[in-house]
Amino acid sequence: KQEVTQIPAALSVPEGENLVLNCSFTDSAIYNLQWFRQDPGKGLTSLLLIQSSQREQTSGRLNASLDKSSGRSTLYIAASQPGDSATYLCAVRQGTQAGTALIFGKGTTLSVSS
Amino acid sequence: EAGVAQSPRYKIIEKRQSVAFWCNPISGHATLYWYQQILGQGPKLLIQFQNNGVVDDSQLPKDRFSAERLKGVDSTLKIQPAKLEDSAVYLCASSFDTWGEKLFFGSGTQLSVL
Repeated sequence: KQEVTQIPAALSVPEGENLVLNCSFTDSAIYNLQWFRQDPGKGLTSLLLIQSSQREQTSGRLNASLDKSSGRSTLYIAASQPGDSATYLCAVRQGTQAGTALIFGKGTTLSVSS
Repeated sequence: EAGVAQSPRYKIIEKRQSVAFWCNPISGHATLYWYQQILGQGPKLLIQFQNNGVVDDSQLPKDRFSAERLKGVDSTLKIQPAKLEDSAVYLCASSFDTWGEKLFFGSGTQLSVL
């Protein structure tokens, strides 16, 4: 059974710092991996999607990497800002075909102070 | 474009009562998902529809939960009777097709069962 773990559970940093959020999964047979952002009382917003054949994806100050063989992904946030404060969730789509359910980690709650 | 609409935003009921949630996906999105997010956890898939057919309902507690998607557009999720452990945020998401590469989430319905 696939399990997704995110470390740390919470992180507080001052504005301007670069930071890394970690995600690990137990079964490397994944179709893709996504990073989401969730603001309090809101739904989830997809940030980056990495296909199983890819190593990384970048969007602005965000960079996500994937090492499928070791069951790990990292989300790198450069020059953090207070507006980055949110919960970041990692999710994997299991198996070798699309359409299967996303399995989420519990998330990392990030607080960036000004 | 308009996002995924959900209502109500909040609902408080007593145990053993029934409750229904409504979701209107993004226009043209064939796939619709209902997720349950318990406080401090990642979302868990309850049911996935492709048009008006069920793709995956393996984690739906069918003795008390039911869902339908008439005409392949909007959807309702019902709980009857509710239990204390059903207190959670119920998130609806949609994607363009079954491949579901990118999911768009609504803001959710926060349910409190007393």
